[in-house]
Amino acid sequence: GAVVSQHPSWVICKSGTSVKIECRSLDFQATTMFWYRQFPKQSLMLMATSNEGSKATYEQGVEKDKFLINHASLTLSTLTVTSAHPEDSSFYICSAIAGVGNEQFFGPGTRLTVL
Amino acid sequence: EDQVTQSPEALRLQEGESSSLNCSYTVSGLRGLFWYRQDPGKGPEFLFTLYSAGEEKEKERLKATLTKKESFLHITAPKPEDSATYLCAVQANYGQNFVFGPGTRLSVLP
Repeated sequence: GAVVSQHPSWVICKSGTSVKIECRSLDFQATTMFWYRQFPKQSLMLMATSNEGSKATYEQGVEKDKFLINHASLTLSTLTVTSAHPEDSSFYICSAIAGVGNEQFFGPGTRLTVL
Repeated sequence: EDQVTQSPEALRLQEGESSSLNCSYTVSGLRGLFWYRQDPGKGPEFLFTLYSAGEEKEKERLKATLTKKESFLHITAPKPEDSATYLCAVQANYGQNFVFGPGTRLSVLP
C-alpha cells in the first residue's frame, strides 16, 4: 500500500511556542490530504482538508489561525500549531488519498505534548 | 447529517473464537465504506474499501461485508495479534471528507 510519513513522531514544547508537523506521501502524489486529531480512546476528529495549491478547508470549531495548514506540493502538507497551549496536547494524524479507489492512507501520527 | 456508529464498543475474545463487528451508517449517497485497524499510538492501517451493497472482501482472517445500512467485519479464528481498535468510515458522494465511527476495541486473549 501507499506510504505516508509524519515528522516528528513526538514533540514536547513549552506553552506559547509554535510547532510544525510535516506529512509526506512517499511513493505517490496526493492532491488531497487530511489532518485529524485524536484524543485517548476516542476516534479520529477531522480538523481540515488540505488540497494542493489551495487554501485548506477547516471543520467547524477548528481555528484556522491557530492550526495553519500548508499544502505546497503534491507530496507534502504541513500543520503548524501556533502559540501552543496544554489543551492542544493530542495525537495528530495526517492522511492522503491515493489512487482511483479513493483509499485514504494514514501517517504514523505525531504525539504533541505542550507543557 | 452523515453518521457512523460502531458496536460493540469493546470486545474480548478467546483465541480462535470467531465474532463480528458492526458498523451502521447514515449517509446521503455512499461513495465508499472503509475499514481500518489502529494499534495504540499509531496511525490507522487501511484494511478494506466497500462500494456497494452485497460486496464482500477478505484478507487473512478478516472478511468485510456491506448492506445499504451497515457493514460487518467478521473475524474468523482470531489470534492475539488481531487485538487492536477497528475503525469504520464512510465517504459520501458529494464531498471529500470521511466520517469515522468511534471504533471497536478488540482484545484477543491467548
